[in-house]
Amino acid sequence: AQRVTQPEKLLSVFKGAPVELKCNYSYSGSPELFWYVQYSRQRLQLLLRHISRESIKGFTADLNKGETSFHLKKPFAQEEDSAMYYCALIGYGGSQGNLIFGKGTKLSVKP
Amino acid sequence: DAGVTQSPTHLIKTRGQQVTLRCSPKSGHDTVSWYQQALGQGPQFIFQYYEEEERQRGNFPDRFSGHQFPNYSSELNVNALLLGDSALYLCASSLSGEWRDTQYFGPGTRLTVL
Repeated sequence: AQRVTQPEKLLSVFKGAPVELKCNYSYSGSPELFWYVQYSRQRLQLLLRHISRESIKGFTADLNKGETSFHLKKPFAQEEDSAMYYCALIGYGGSQGNLIFGKGTKLSVKP
Repeated sequence: DAGVTQSPTHLIKTRGQQVTLRCSPKSGHDTVSWYQQALGQGPQFIFQYYEEEERQRGNFPDRFSGHQFPNYSSELNVNALLLGDSALYLCASSLSGEWRDTQYFGPGTRLTVL
């Protein structure tokens, strides 16, 4: 079964501390993985996708096929990073075209 | 470009009623996907429309139906509303028929069923 798991509902860190938001996936094959972010009172927006291998707002994510993980990392958290973060995948075959989301992790960065 | 737009913003219905939600995709996009986001959950895929046809469907009952118009805008219809249909309904559009393409989300329609 295709599944995305985000084990932490809430992650609270202090400004300047490193952040790691965990994401594990279950999928037979090579999925394409994304991180979406939703800031307060804003729409869901793409943060990054693994195929781009780019860094957005200081965030990076590496696909680890051996551990089936796609954790989101940032070395120094900022208060403006406080938001809801969703990990998602798009699969091949019967799941073409639809994003499968995790339940999300709320990141709170304290001053 | 206003991006993906959805209407209405909020909607209150009673059990058994029917509802229609609307979505206009980002300029140039021709594929529209609909998601249901229950409180405390991630979005869950309902269906996707491309070239005015339902291309793919998630695990939702037939009470959920949709349509895509020649201008690529789309509607989501839900019949015989249940309390459990209360959720945020998100529309997402993408650039082409390529299923890997990035999906851009609208602000959502908050549906409350009493």
